[in-house]
Amino acid sequence: DIQMTQSPSSLSASVGDRVTITCRASQGISNNLAWFQQKPGKAPKSLIYAASSLQSGVPSKFSGSGSGTDFTLTISSLQPEDFATYYCQQYNSYPLTFGPGTRVDIK
Amino acid sequence: EVQLLESGGGLVQPGESLRLSCAASGFTFSTYDMHWVRQAPGKGLEWVSGITGSGGSTYYADSVKGRFTVSRDNPKNTLYLQMNSLRAEDAAIYYCAKRGYMDVWGEGTTVTVSS
Repeated sequence: DIQMTQSPSSLSASVGDRVTITCRASQGISNNLAWFQQKPGKAPKSLIYAASSLQSGVPSKFSGSGSGTDFTLTISSLQPEDFATYYCQQYNSYPLTFGPGTRVDIK
Repeated sequence: EVQLLESGGGLVQPGESLRLSCAASGFTFSTYDMHWVRQAPGKGLEWVSGITGSGGSTYYADSVKGRFTVSRDNPKNTLYLQMNSLRAEDAAIYYCAKRGYMDVWGEGTTVTVSS
């Protein structure tokens, strides 16, 4: 099975900050990586697929990069609505696996 | 509008069964792989099971293999998850999601397993 790790596990940031979250796969997954945002009590929301493709309707302040085993999600200017937990997920092979999540909260 | 709506959750005792449903609308259901993902209280996301568009291939997490069965009825645009021999650790919110990179999620249905 492919293990996904994320760093940091949590971070505190201010409105307007640039935030970067890292996701690493235990083996190469090409660009078969997705990112999700989840707010408390809500279903996850798709942000990015194919490592760097922005999902329809998602603001361009979100961006993704990487290929192989190392990936990043960047939020260019953090806004109040962006405080949430972020998960990466590989869909290169079964079983599909998620990272443990990165909680972004207000400094 | 593309939508997924789960139903069928509830409170069951350990060892009992439950069948979840996910009604799809707004897209050509039979074209897409579909998945079940769960989230235990205060925990992260765990992929549970997936099924190809035709229903010809199914996939399971080791934690549910042999106990859960995924299926679909394409004419009814509905995905199912039959859950047998439920355990306390199966308690979670169960979401259905569309395609491998899960571009659309339902709101979830809650399964509670307790005696």
